Amino acid sequence: DAGVIQSPRHEVTEMGQEVTLRCKPISGHNSLFWYRQTMMRGLELLIYFNNNVPIDDSGMPEDRFSAKMPNASFSTLKIQPSEPRDSAVYFCASSLDRAPYQPQHFGDGTRLSIL
Amino acid sequence: ELKVEQNPLFLSMQEGKNYTIYCNYSTTSDRLYWYRQDPGKSLESLFVLLSNGAVKQEGRLMASLDTKARLSTLHITAAVHDLSATYFCAVPQGGSEKLVFGKGTKLTVNP
Repeated sequence: DAGVIQSPRHEVTEMGQEVTLRCKPISGHNSLFWYRQTMMRGLELLIYFNNNVPIDDSGMPEDRFSAKMPNASFSTLKIQPSEPRDSAVYFCASSLDRAPYQPQHFGDGTRLSIL
Repeated sequence: ELKVEQNPLFLSMQEGKNYTIYCNYSTTSDRLYWYRQDPGKSLESLFVLLSNGAVKQEGRLMASLDTKARLSTLHITAAVHDLSATYFCAVPQGGSEKLVFGKGTKLTVNP
């Protein structure tokens, strides 16, 4: 079975540009999570959705970040305008909330570099 | 606010030795997750611990959970080089699906 699919795997862009990260969760999973990983701050949850509805966005750093989940099989995380401090690895994960205490499954991540 | 602390953060050990990684958390939780991350790779689920006293083992790794002490341990037996990775514990916040991760323990197993 296909796991969580993220694109692009790597993104290098200049400060001020818009960046869009994409995620396809595992089919049948109804919860989706966006994380950011840096050396300084570790792994932080940015936002999570349940049944396509944002449940907790308290980790979103500021208004430059936005996330959407228009349907059960697709989500985007957008940064506009991007800044060098946004450089990090961004992971998407999914899970099934009805499966008792199953782990979240992570994608391979997008390595983002803002110059 | 839930805090999850792991120690040590860095661990260098010789092949064949045993060691334990500790994960403490600050608020009540009935479950805890352990993940492994290889350099430049994704996070892979290792164990889901669901109740007080839970113990799970796979190969040279054994994880346990003491919910009263708010402590989980990941014990490594007779380490081999292939176990070199970063290990994370994670705890759900307030019974939700939101996980709070520890900083990770970077394990290096030397020949």
